[in-house]
Amino acid sequence: QQQVKQSPQSLIVQKGGISIINCAYENTAFDYFPWYQQFPGKGPALLIAIRPDVSEKKEGRFTISFNKSAKQFSLHIMDSQPGDSATYFCAASVGGGGYQKVTFGTGTKLQVIP
Amino acid sequence: DTGVSQNPRHKITKRGQNVTFRCDPISEHNRLYWYRQTLGQGPEFLTYFQNEAQLEKSRLLSDRFSAERPKGSFSTLEIQRTEQGDSAMYLCASSTRYEQYFGPGTRLTVT
Repeated sequence: QQQVKQSPQSLIVQKGGISIINCAYENTAFDYFPWYQQFPGKGPALLIAIRPDVSEKKEGRFTISFNKSAKQFSLHIMDSQPGDSATYFCAASVGGGGYQKVTFGTGTKLQVIP
Repeated sequence: DTGVSQNPRHKITKRGQNVTFRCDPISEHNRLYWYRQTLGQGPEFLTYFQNEAQLEKSRLLSDRFSAERPKGSFSTLEIQRTEQGDSAMYLCASSTRYEQYFGPGTRLTVT
């Protein structure tokens, strides 16, 4: 059962453009929504995260928009750079037993072309 | 480097052999997780430790898989009688609460 749906599967953006990746979830118990960036051969790196009581969070060029009623959230990368080319995973987690059990989306491969 | 480390980074083994991976978490993190990631997919949760106690195991973790975290420090993941379907990236992560920090992973290839 896929609890976090992510789209698009791949994305090509020109340098300086805006990259937008969308995710939707089903489990209303999720209480933490991180985004991870992964380069080939590396582990995922935490990029930015949001709680469901906040509609938007911005860190540098990265912004998460969160719509609790629609059970959707998205990552916006402003002024996209070739160095942003990587695979991005949205995720959602629910606390329980003292830890966060994380469910990942299927990933979006972003390519930023000069 | 104070991040999560994993060894080995790559492992090639023949079907039927046993393999063991090691994870060293960030020193102050008491929570440790193992995930498996196959090509083109996101990581999938395998198991969780709080200190030395293994508190949850996924259904993905068959009887051939065992994980330990003696003394609540490093952790090992052992796969017995490997199968070709075990070929994947095995990721370790650690945390204090919400934010999980991942290691570079161990790429397992079963031939």
